[in-house]
Amino acid sequence: QVQLVESGGGVVQPGNSLRLSCAGPGSSFGMHGMHWVRQAPGKGLEWLALIWFDGSKRYYADSVQGRFTISRDNSQNKLFLQMNSLRVEDTAVYYCARLLGEYIDSWGQGTLVTVSP
Amino acid sequence: EIVMTQSPAALSVSPGERATLSCRASQSVGTKLAWYQQKRGQAPRLLIYGASTRATGIPARFSGSGSGTDFTLTINSLQSEDFAVYYCQQYSNWPPYTFGQGTKLEI
Repeated sequence: QVQLVESGGGVVQPGNSLRLSCAGPGSSFGMHGMHWVRQAPGKGLEWLALIWFDGSKRYYADSVQGRFTISRDNSQNKLFLQMNSLRVEDTAVYYCARLLGEYIDSWGQGTLVTVSP
Repeated sequence: EIVMTQSPAALSVSPGERATLSCRASQSVGTKLAWYQQKRGQAPRLLIYGASTRATGIPARFSGSGSGTDFTLTINSLQSEDFAVYYCQQYSNWPPYTFGQGTKLEI
């Protein structure tokens, strides 16, 4: 497992935007696909998005398709999640996670996003 | 979308006992099934992948079994640090990757 560190969470009003970042290890960051997964307060895990190791392919959950954009900058060893048109129901802890082969092997500590009027 | 259903929702056991957690997929996922442990206030941690392979550093008291649609996570000789929420996740047919709703293992 590797250390992943998310940042960028906070309190925003509905309809606004927020950009999350995830810093990964320099030695191998660009070799792996990366996910975003969230967890609403007291709830289970919800997969949101996946980006290929080189950024060439991206996949989204229906719940965020068209509102959220996953991207990465391998030169900076960083993963991003641009979140637009935020809703109250987007309130959650957001985790970045590494894809090792076909499964997730490492998770960040999470960053809390609160969407509140 | 493959729906993952875990049972029971909560399980009360005593330290030293065995716990058996179940996960069922709405269609076959082969052995593309992972188990994660999440302690309160912490990120999930990978326990098992490929339905039965322990991740690096995971104690031998954790074991996974099953294929197709029915899977089991067994924890032998429960330790105090094992009390947590456990999630299964399929990575056979995606997107989306889907998780079970979790089983809370409590004393």
